[in-house]
Amino acid sequence: GAVVSQHPSWVICKSGTSVKIECRSLDFQATTMFWYRQFPKQSLMLMATSNEGSKATYEQGVEKDKFLINHASLTLSTLTVTSAHPEDSSFYICSATTGTGGHEQYFGPGTRLTVT
Amino acid sequence: GQSLEQPSEVTAVEGAIVQINCTYQTSGFYGLSWYQQHDGGAPTFLSYNALDGLEETGRFSSFLSRSDSYGYLLLQELQMKDSASYFCAVREGGYQKVTFGIGTKLQVIP
Repeated sequence: GAVVSQHPSWVICKSGTSVKIECRSLDFQATTMFWYRQFPKQSLMLMATSNEGSKATYEQGVEKDKFLINHASLTLSTLTVTSAHPEDSSFYICSATTGTGGHEQYFGPGTRLTVT
Repeated sequence: GQSLEQPSEVTAVEGAIVQINCTYQTSGFYGLSWYQQHDGGAPTFLSYNALDGLEETGRFSSFLSRSDSYGYLLLQELQMKDSASYFCAVREGGYQKVTFGIGTKLQVIP
């Protein structure tokens, strides 16, 4: 089946620093990737939709200058949290679709970010 | 925009059947998905309904009524490992973007 990996699985950083999270589709080409944020005991909130070779589409209320998304290839998308603050601490999950019109999203294992 | 409603918590006994309901409001409904998420883990896909009716996959079934903007996930022969959060998610239009409900935390007890 389709496998999506994320790296790192967890990260602790200091306020003001930047953190990059990688999302890779391991055995398929992902034309579209999605980035979600999930706070404890809450739902997945879509942050942005990322298409290979084009600018990401951000959801309302998500700062594009703070959450930089790059989808440079059909197997890799990155999310960079810039100038991180404690309120950015969350579980960040990416997902990918195969682009064949299918409805299933394949999720990565998530990255737990803690900003101190 | 879209909004989805589902119960926040459900408790059921091992071996029993449980139904998790989901109602939605959306401007351009395309399909309803269900995902399972264990604590600390990533969501995994369970089922998808684009048309009215029941879809069965092993112990799990999903139902959709487009006219009622309503769907449910049915879990049969509950096992302890089924304890998890279950999210309904609406796909809008032809895009693959989905909006997730708040999730229903299912606790299976002996």
